[in-house]
Amino acid sequence: EVHLVESGGTLVQPGGSLTLSCAASGLIFSESRMTWVRQAPGKGLEWVANINGDGSQTNYVGSLKGRFTIFRDNAKNSMYLQMSSLTAEDTATYYCAKVYIAKEPGGLADFHFYNIDVWGTGTTVTVSS
Amino acid sequence: DIEMTQSPTFLSASVGDTVSITCRSSQDISRYINWFQQKPGKAPNLLIYGAFSLQSGVPSRFRGTGSGRDFSLIINGLQPEDFATYYCQQNYVTPWTFGQGTKVQIK
Repeated sequence: EVHLVESGGTLVQPGGSLTLSCAASGLIFSESRMTWVRQAPGKGLEWVANINGDGSQTNYVGSLKGRFTIFRDNAKNSMYLQMSSLTAEDTATYYCAKVYIAKEPGGLADFHFYNIDVWGTGTTVTVSS
Repeated sequence: DIEMTQSPTFLSASVGDTVSITCRSSQDISRYINWFQQKPGKAPNLLIYGAFSLQSGVPSRFRGTGSGRDFSLIINGLQPEDFATYYCQQNYVTPWTFGQGTKVQIK
């Protein structure tokens, strides 16, 4: 069974930096695309970033690019989210999740659906003075 | 960015009811939509992917429909454990985007 555990969430002052960690087990981590999704208190879900298996490809939501960096260490079965210049708007629960690519036959080309199929329990970041 | 407009925001229903939640994308996303269920204090759970493919382990009372820009999540015969918040999400292109959520409440 795949298990994802986030850590590193804490209270941090505005303008500060923080790195979140995600420890994975029960999967071939180096072959797994991973992602971060966050949720502000009482709000909806916001996709943050994803990274492919070997770490060579990353994608970010535009509003966070430049402040947030996703990376991984496959030798440690871990993924990270480095965050800088934090503001109150970054206060949220941050979820680490695995992405499974489901392939289905299509008309002209096959479908490749990116499914966020396993989630951690989340780690809470609070940005406040 | 692709905007996902979900409705309604709140939905009151009774056990046994059939309910429908809709999601409209700001551009054609083919079948690249997922539906998630989230209960308070818990991580989301994938229900439907590819617009209408049922994720393994999800009860068959959950059904997805649609293609292009208009999609629906239908729950046939609400069960007590189905009262939760539901989100659509497009994975046609990054940045992946979610709908605002629909909270299904007990009437």
